[in-house]
Amino acid sequence: KAGVTQTPRYLIKTRGQQVTLSCSPISGHRSVSWYQQTPGQGLQFLFEYFSETQRNKGNFPGRFSGRQFSNSRSEMNVSTLELGDSALYLCASSLAPLRNTGELFFGEGSRLTVL
Amino acid sequence: KNEVEQSPQNLTAQEGEFITINCSYSVGISALHWLQQHPGGGIVSLFMLSSGKKKHGRLIATINIQEKHSSLHITASHPRDSAVYICAVLNNNDMRFGAGTRLTVKP
Repeated sequence: KAGVTQTPRYLIKTRGQQVTLSCSPISGHRSVSWYQQTPGQGLQFLFEYFSETQRNKGNFPGRFSGRQFSNSRSEMNVSTLELGDSALYLCASSLAPLRNTGELFFGEGSRLTVL
Repeated sequence: KNEVEQSPQNLTAQEGEFITINCSYSVGISALHWLQQHPGGGIVSLFMLSSGKKKHGRLIATINIQEKHSSLHITASHPRDSAVYICAVLNNNDMRFGAGTRLTVKP
């Protein structure tokens, strides 16, 4: 059974650009949640999608957005990149929504560097 | 004060020792997760708890909802247990994370 796949694994952007990251969940999983991890702030929750609907959003500016497709694959987009957006972006999938789920399955992450 | 506090921040143990990592939180929660992160970034979900105690192999996790406290225990620790252990609480569909405990187990 394939795990959670995130692409790209590494990318470098410059300030002001925008970036799109992709997350393919485990087959059958309908919930995808996104997280940002930085050395200073640690792990922070970005948002959760379930059945193509955003269920929750963390405390991030509107530059951070996402969506989920009918096949449960999810994308997140960051516009007008800032240096502070440099981070490891992780997604996790689960069968049920976050508040009901027993186990989360994480991808390896996409490491974004903003120059 | 952070809503999720972990202790200790760093922990070094000898192989075979019994390890305890603590997590205290200040918000109402629906569930608590213990996560393990190895160098390189990969995260593995160890436990999800909403009450009581769970055991998986050498790992035991407990939660006391009234005291807003959870512990992760590792029995007979091994160098492969070396990782960062992160406590995460689910609150109104928002997940909050502790800063993590970096565990090093020496042979």
